[in-house]
Amino acid sequence: ELKVEQNPLFLSMQEGKNYTIYCNYSTTSDRLYWYRQDPGKSLESLFVLLSNGAVKQEGRLMASLDTKARLSTLHITAAVHDLSATYFCAVDRETSGSRLTFGEGTQLTVNP
Amino acid sequence: NAGVMQNPRHLVRRRGQEARLRCSPMKGHSHVYWYRQLPEEGLKFMVYLQKENIIDESGMPKERFSAEFPKEGPSILRIQQVVRGDSAAYFCASSPTGEYGYTFGSGTRLTVV
Repeated sequence: ELKVEQNPLFLSMQEGKNYTIYCNYSTTSDRLYWYRQDPGKSLESLFVLLSNGAVKQEGRLMASLDTKARLSTLHITAAVHDLSATYFCAVDRETSGSRLTFGEGTQLTVNP
Repeated sequence: NAGVMQNPRHLVRRRGQEARLRCSPMKGHSHVYWYRQLPEEGLKFMVYLQKENIIDESGMPKERFSAEFPKEGPSILRIQQVVRGDSAAYFCASSPTGEYGYTFGSGTRLTVV
């Protein structure tokens, strides 16, 4: 069974600081996704990582994928309050019929 | 492009009643997925459907839950005889190909009282 683990689950940081969220998964995966969710809202797609060594950046967020280590990271640079949200990673496998398996989520709070 | 439309946004049901949740996928998307999110948890896969077919229902509880995606109209997730433990946010996602490129709806928040 595919398992996805994120850490930390809770992260409180000051504006302007950098931090990294980690996403480990248990078996070979075809694709790795990062989503953002604001309270009471839906999931907003941030990144889709398709291959080993993939790196994508959007604003203050950068995601990377190491398929050999079964690890993805979401790096936050110079955090701002607007980044406060819950961040989920998810993986899917072609052999699992394209269903997503999600991590538990990292609740990020950026303090002014 | 209206995106994935779910309704109702909020649904309150008494224990023992039925809940019907609707999902209209994005235009051109024929693959629909339902996920459940319990409070303070991640999303858990429930079922994957294409038009008129259930492709994977391995995440569906064995009793009281059913899903359909008819040739015409939205996908429906039906929960019979709801219990308090069914209280959750139910999200629908759609995809054009059944591969990556999932778009999520805004969810239906079900509260069982």
